[in-house]
Amino acid sequence: AQSVTQLDSQVPVFEEAPVELRCNYSSSVSVYLFWYVQYPNQGLQLLLKYLSGSTLVKGINGFEAEFNKSQTSFHLRKPSVHISDTAEYFCASWESGYALNFGKGTSLLVTP
Amino acid sequence: NAGVTQTPKFRILKIGQSMTLQCTQDMNHNYMYWYRQDPGMGLKLIYYSVGAGITDKGEVPNGYNVSRSTTEDFPLRLELAAPSQTSVYFCASTRRGFMDSPLHFGNGTRLTVT
Repeated sequence: AQSVTQLDSQVPVFEEAPVELRCNYSSSVSVYLFWYVQYPNQGLQLLLKYLSGSTLVKGINGFEAEFNKSQTSFHLRKPSVHISDTAEYFCASWESGYALNFGKGTSLLVTP
Repeated sequence: NAGVTQTPKFRILKIGQSMTLQCTQDMNHNYMYWYRQDPGMGLKLIYYSVGAGITDKGEVPNGYNVSRSTTEDFPLRLELAAPSQTSVYFCASTRRGFMDSPLHFGNGTRLTVT
């Protein structure tokens, strides 16, 4: 069965520093990958998605992710974070069926 | 468009009580979902529906029931509430597939069972 593993439960970072949130997936066939963000007391919203084509995917709010098939990874990056990026980030996958499979989430805490 | 609307936002239940979490969307989405979110555990799928009159179990359906009589509404019913059902519940919808339409989430219902 497909699954995603988010390697860090919490990532503290200073404002304006770069950040990488790690996600590995397990699948032997085509898989579609997503990053969702959850701001405090809100539902999740889509940051970016990889379906096919270019392995570097750009999303909203300056985030990007790189699909790496050989390492089965889909890490999320931002070159310079803001306080407002403090949120929970979820990696998700879809291979078949009707539902996304979510990771356990990574809490990004940006401090001044 | 209001998007996905969940009510109530908060609720405290006593063990053994029952309640219905309401979810409605105004985007004419076919697929709707109920997830629960527990700290450090991510989102677990409870039930989903691919259209009016069609529902199916997800990963953690025990203790819950759903119905989908209209495209807009997808209520989640808790019978005989238990402390293990203390969680934040999210309803979500999407038009058809994940390739071209993202999941839209409501703002959640925070439920405590004591």
